[in-house]
Amino acid sequence: DSGVTQTPKHLITATGQRVTLRCSPRSGDLSVYWYQQSLDQGLQFLIQYYNGEERAKGNILERFSAQQFPDLHSELNLSSLELGDSALYFCASSPRTGSKNIQYFGAGTRLSVL
Amino acid sequence: LAKTTQPISMDSYEGQEVNITCSHNNIATNDYITWYQQFPSQGPRFIIQGYKTKVTNEVASLFIPADRKSSTLSLPRVSLSDTAVYYCLVSLSFISNFGNEKLTFGTGTRLTIIP
Repeated sequence: DSGVTQTPKHLITATGQRVTLRCSPRSGDLSVYWYQQSLDQGLQFLIQYYNGEERAKGNILERFSAQQFPDLHSELNLSSLELGDSALYFCASSPRTGSKNIQYFGAGTRLSVL
Repeated sequence: LAKTTQPISMDSYEGQEVNITCSHNNIATNDYITWYQQFPSQGPRFIIQGYKTKVTNEVASLFIPADRKSSTLSLPRVSLSDTAVYYCLVSLSFISNFGNEKLTFGTGTRLTIIP
């Protein structure tokens, strides 16, 4: 158990809909990262938050947004969903930000867009 | 950009030592090298991290030459349970509000252990 909690584990929805994925980081970790992993693909970095502020942005679509709340949990919002958004979405957390910080991953949310 | 390059896949027999090499020619001075293991439908799991020379823990060793442009993950005496995808991450270079770099895990190396 990494200590990172993601909910829900599975999500099935239709095209055009909007969903929210939630992540609770390990106790004490200030950084939260979001990744997308499509079938048999590598991990695509979406966005990072550090202590409530956006720290880094990767390949995140404009239809997607995220935020980190004062209690440090984070939510990833996906809107106007398309079939191609079906993927595993992982959240990771680390104590701080910077090169030496190891990321601890949650079990992921499997999103299926039908 | 601190881009990493790894072999797409590798096969090995049980009991053998497996070495997976990652190339990171543009590694920055303050970058650490971190390896993760991922089983299907699970989140990646930290294996080992290093900055230079050699690091060893209970599951693996990491060899980093002096120029730090590559690194080799060594798994001793692998078993079937080591079948997974292994990612090398030169962490953390990222597109940020402060810089111009990109965080990426790359495609990873799919390791298959044969009985």
